[in-house]
Amino acid sequence: DTEVTQTPKHLVMGMTNKKSLKCEQHMGHRAMYWYKQKAKKPPELMFVYSYEKLSINESVPSRFSPECPNSSLLNLHLHALQPEDSALYLCASSHPGLAGGPSQETQYFGPGTRLLVL
Amino acid sequence: KQEVTQIPAALSVPEGENLVLNCSFTDSAIYNLQWFRQDPGKGLTSLLLIQSSQREQTSGRLNASLDKSSGRSTLYIAASQPGDSATYLCAVRPTSGTYKYIFGTGTRLKVLA
Repeated sequence: DTEVTQTPKHLVMGMTNKKSLKCEQHMGHRAMYWYKQKAKKPPELMFVYSYEKLSINESVPSRFSPECPNSSLLNLHLHALQPEDSALYLCASSHPGLAGGPSQETQYFGPGTRLLVL
Repeated sequence: KQEVTQIPAALSVPEGENLVLNCSFTDSAIYNLQWFRQDPGKGLTSLLLIQSSQREQTSGRLNASLDKSSGRSTLYIAASQPGDSATYLCAVRPTSGTYKYIFGTGTRLKVLA
């Protein structure tokens, strides 16, 4: 099974709402990633978890809050978002590198959640 | 600062043509380079990963080459099909210890039936 699943596929939320994005993989990968992708742009890394611990936060605003409850799940909690946060949010996973560092192996991406903030 | 460029930005070809997509990067200090495919509004699918010590990788009709010293990679697609229509992204993993893949802006390919 080389699949990363993401739910929901689409999400529309107001600026005062609280919502969560979910990502799941059962490949035994211990590194998981959140990316944000705007239209016709490449993905931008947001967060990296390695062995369920937050390793990288790419200076993401606090209205985005990641959580990794176990080795298969990754959540992204959203609160008080802005319209410019509308984008495709992609989750990915891979084997971590040595000592939990960057991996040299393939990242497997999920299909993404299309988020629209009104 | 590592920069990744893909040329052309868009490409339209008739079915059956062999084609080459180009990827250039400014810093040769990389662990690997990966080619991805992305269909509109969808996630990324890994096509080929080339480690820095390798020169090329092949998978079916796809062949990717890497010339690290000159900062170039090419993705060769043989006998293109309409189903190959997608955006193709290359990404490099720097050796600087970061988790960050540096992505190119992609080539949008359309194969006409």
